[in-house]
Amino acid sequence: EPEVTQTPSHQVTQMGQEVILRCVPISNHLYFYWYRQILGQKVEFLVSFYNNEISEKSEIFDDQFSVERPDGSNFTLKIRSTKLEDSAMYFCASSGDGYDSYEQYFGPGTRLTVT
Amino acid sequence: GIQVEQSPPDLILQEGANSTLRCNFSDSVNNLQWFHQNPWGQLINLFYIPSGTKQNGRLSATTVATERYSLLYISSSQTTDSGVYFCACRLHFGGTSYGKLTFGQGTILTVHP
Repeated sequence: EPEVTQTPSHQVTQMGQEVILRCVPISNHLYFYWYRQILGQKVEFLVSFYNNEISEKSEIFDDQFSVERPDGSNFTLKIRSTKLEDSAMYFCASSGDGYDSYEQYFGPGTRLTVT
Repeated sequence: GIQVEQSPPDLILQEGANSTLRCNFSDSVNNLQWFHQNPWGQLINLFYIPSGTKQNGRLSATTVATERYSLLYISSSQTTDSGVYFCACRLHFGGTSYGKLTFGQGTILTVHP
């Protein structure tokens, strides 16, 4: 069964450093998402991406964040200058190989620890 | 935006017991998904159920879209069912299909042997 993959599974970085989280969505999907979950809290939407542009973003997704689909398979989330409060689990998701395909498929997540 | 509320917040069971988790949502939705978050933090997709009833083994789910709630049933619970269960909804508008999922706060389920 096709699945969304994410790398790395765990990343530790120092405050102020740039990080890039990588995702490979399901191959025939058209819509891509990033969510995050701070420890002990609910999952929050960050950004959605369709047709090579951001279609929606949350208040969390400020100028420190960016997304890119550099080729036909990868989808990346970049945090330019990490802060302690960026420590969280980051989930990539994809959906939509057809008009009625609203179900979102989630990757296993990347746990980001900022020290 | 849409509000998603889950109840109960915590649930403690003995192995073998049955349970019902509830998800209430404030607006019309065209996507509702139930997830189980395992101890490693992974979100396991249980059901995609914007309406109707589905069953998968010991788990089943029902969504009554007109009354804006969904129920997740766990029968004959096992210790491996422990974890956090999330409901997530996507607001129905304009027929677009790229809308975000809004998650509830989750129900923490603990199953004792």
